Amino acid sequence: GIQVEQSPPDLILQEGANSTLRCNFSDSVNNLQWFHQNPWGQLINLFYIPSGTKQNGRLSATTVATERYSLLYISSSQTTDSGVYFCAVERAGTASKLTFGTGTRLQVTL
Amino acid sequence: KAGVTQTPRYLIKTRGQQVTLSCSPISGHRSVSWYQQTPGQGLQFLFEYFSETQRNKGNFPGRFSGRQFSNSRSEMNVSTLELGDSALYLCASSLYGLADLYQETQYFGPGTRLLVL
Repeated sequence: GIQVEQSPPDLILQEGANSTLRCNFSDSVNNLQWFHQNPWGQLINLFYIPSGTKQNGRLSATTVATERYSLLYISSSQTTDSGVYFCAVERAGTASKLTFGTGTRLQVTL
Repeated sequence: KAGVTQTPRYLIKTRGQQVTLSCSPISGHRSVSWYQQTPGQGLQFLFEYFSETQRNKGNFPGRFSGRQFSNSRSEMNVSTLELGDSALYLCASSLYGLADLYQETQYFGPGTRLLVL
């Protein structure tokens, strides 16, 4: 099956710092989503971004589908950004079967 | 629109018992997928239903089963529970479950935490 690797696995930042999270995938995809999992387990959809660049407030994401990677940028981080960030992909022809990476655990400190 | 809802939110069972979890998708969504999240294995796909039919299945034993009703609500059942079934079970919905054609986003519910003793 498709492989999804995320880096770094853990990240500790001071409030106000910027960060870049990376997601590499091993095959062509028709769906790539970034999620933030809060402490209660809820997966919150950040971006649907199989290709191109999107921005939403302090967050932005870029997917270079031809090179099989995606980046999530967090600027001016806040303590509420803490949690686990997952990249998930769906390979063409696999209806609604997201394959998740192992996540990046982010801790933002004061 | 109301989001994806899952019931119950927490559940404690003992080995050998069976359990049924429920998921109500976002209104109008017809595709429902289930995922299991454990510390050791991460997030893994269980199965996906569309129009009351299982359309895709992950690599889980037959003890894990599901169904979908005509109103798109879905249930999953785990029989003969094992300690390793302790996990967060997440349900996700999308319109058609066909990102190839519709560039869809999957939306997740809050999950059901199952503890098997």
